[in-house]
Amino acid sequence: GQQVMQIPQYQHVQEGEDFTTYCNSSTTLSNIQWYKQRPGGHPVFLIQLVKSGEVKKQKRLTFQFGEAKKNSSLHITATQTTDVGTYFCAGPTDYGQNFVFGPGTRLSVLP
Amino acid sequence: NAGVMQNPRHLVRRRGQEARLRCSPMKGHSHVYWYRQLPEEGLKFMVYLQKENIIDESGMPKERFSAEFPKEGPSILRIQQVVRGDSAAYFCASSPLRELGEQFFGPGTRLTVL
Repeated sequence: GQQVMQIPQYQHVQEGEDFTTYCNSSTTLSNIQWYKQRPGGHPVFLIQLVKSGEVKKQKRLTFQFGEAKKNSSLHITATQTTDVGTYFCAGPTDYGQNFVFGPGTRLSVLP
Repeated sequence: NAGVMQNPRHLVRRRGQEARLRCSPMKGHSHVYWYRQLPEEGLKFMVYLQKENIIDESGMPKERFSAEFPKEGPSILRIQQVVRGDSAAYFCASSPLRELGEQFFGPGTRLTVL
């Protein structure tokens, strides 16, 4: 069945360092979404990418959708303690009725 | 515009009891998704509903679990005869669009089965 993988599973960085998480799908995606979940909280939508090769920026966050629309990345420049949480990517299923979430990358930021 | 509401926020049940989780989507949203999350794991899709219709229940166990989204009132996820393995956080999300757009998540219900 369709799978969405993310690496790394965990990342510990010093405050100020950069961070990147990668998302890979076993199938081509019509779009990809990114969510952030703070410890003890609920997922919060960050962005949706639709076009092949698309790059979007939100302040220190840069999102990229691969040319083949099977992979995506989220890059955070100069991490802050407020960036702590788990970052999930999600894509529509093959039959388009629901989403498949990746397992997430848990980011820890050491002050 | 109030966000997605879920209640209760915490629910404790003994094995064999029933758990009933409620989700009120954002105003104007007619699509509801239910997910289960085990500690330190990802979100597992359970069921997708529109008003009065189950669109996709492929992620929901065939026994003991059921979901509804009536014409009036919240969406309900019902777990009968709960077992310890049902302990998890259950999130619902709502969306206004037919196409798979942004999902707005509720705060979740943390179910603990003793």
